[in-house]
Amino acid sequence: AQSVAQPEDQVNVAEGNPLTVKCTYSVSGNPYLFWYVQYPNRGLQFLLKYITGDNLVKGSYGFEAEFNKSQTSFHLKKPSALVSDSALYFCAVREKGSNYQLIWGAGTKLIIKP
Amino acid sequence: GAVVSQHPSRVICKSGTSVKIECRSLDFQATTMFWYRQFPKQSLMLMATSNEGSKATYEQGVEKDKFLINHASLTLSTLTVTSAHPEDSSFYICSGTSGGAGTDTQYFGPGTRLTVL
Repeated sequence: AQSVAQPEDQVNVAEGNPLTVKCTYSVSGNPYLFWYVQYPNRGLQFLLKYITGDNLVKGSYGFEAEFNKSQTSFHLKKPSALVSDSALYFCAVREKGSNYQLIWGAGTKLIIKP
Repeated sequence: GAVVSQHPSRVICKSGTSVKIECRSLDFQATTMFWYRQFPKQSLMLMATSNEGSKATYEQGVEKDKFLINHASLTLSTLTVTSAHPEDSSFYICSGTSGGAGTDTQYFGPGTRLTVL
């Protein structure tokens, strides 16, 4: 069965430190991978995606993610966290050839402490 | 990035009434739109997928007669919650994609908070 796992419900990071939000997936074939961020009572904002090519993808607000095919992972990273990065982060996967539907992770709450 | 709007952002209604939520793609043509429901502290639950000019495809367990979806144009989709009940209270989010080369990103609206009294 296709699935996306975000193993951490919450990640706490001190401001200025690097952050990582983990995501692993299980789909057949080659996936398209996405990260979205959701601020309180708001819709989702697109951060970045991996389709093909370079495994390291750079996105909005200084975030990046690395596609690792052997580990079936797509962890979100940022070198230096900001308090304003505190939000809910969702990883999503779409299987190539599907009708654009996304398989969603459960979300990870990121808390950046001053 | 592409912009999607939703209206209203918040609505409170009495049990038994119907509520319509609009989703508009402002700067792109959304050939495919999605409607999601999100419960507190949970991920998004896909309710239905709609293609412009076609009937929506509903996910298992979603009542199509209760959640009426219309995708009449490439920039507008509506979700009508008919005969709303308190258990329909939720955060409803739409998204759209231009459905180009099969890699297109879904762009999300800001969501609508529905409270049924």
